[in-house]
Amino acid sequence: SQQGEEDPQALSIQEGENATMNCSYKTSINNLQWYRQNSGRGLVHLILIRSNEREKHSGRLRVTLDTSKKSSSLLITASRAADTASYFCATDAPNDYKLSFGAGTTVTVRA
Amino acid sequence: SQTIHQWPATLVQPVGSPLSLECTVEGTSNPNLYWYRQAAGRGLQLLFYSVGIGQISSEVPQNLSASRPQDRQFILSSKKLLLSDSGFYLCACLPAEMNTEAFFGQGTRLTVV
Repeated sequence: SQQGEEDPQALSIQEGENATMNCSYKTSINNLQWYRQNSGRGLVHLILIRSNEREKHSGRLRVTLDTSKKSSSLLITASRAADTASYFCATDAPNDYKLSFGAGTTVTVRA
Repeated sequence: SQTIHQWPATLVQPVGSPLSLECTVEGTSNPNLYWYRQAAGRGLQLLFYSVGIGQISSEVPQNLSASRPQDRQFILSSKKLLLSDSGFYLCACLPAEMNTEAFFGQGTRLTVV
């Protein structure tokens, strides 16, 4: 079964706007990662946030983690048409080697 | 840096035929290796993972099997394909310590006809 669930399933925004998507998970984690997938391709890593971290930034990306709520958010600021893709969160748990993914959020950025 | 080679990129196979998808890793030793399947427009379903040679954990009972004959080689197989085996298969590699990003192959799009 999938550990993470992204929300919303789909998001359509205008270029220049911000895009926010959320990920909820069920069990304790070591790390939470966000990945991006362009249509029909492999996944590309965006950001890893550890369970003892609350926020991380990378360029136009900002990730937050709230372990008390078992949730994370990914914010893409000043979106571009090239940000159009599916975004997935993935978690790994203590004493477990599984890397479990959520169902993903499909983001469409309109020019 | 780590590199994953996954082939073939596209495969069309008849129902009942065998399957062998191969994934090899460069740039790391003793990685954790994963096979995922992705249905169209859906998330990634973990099929198998391996923490070492000959060590395979299965997540979902199904028509597929996996093997790890060498440290950096992970193979997904089936003796007889079903229509429901169609999908996008992804191989992934994660260092044994788990505290870093996973690397993905480019995927194999399998269509069973």
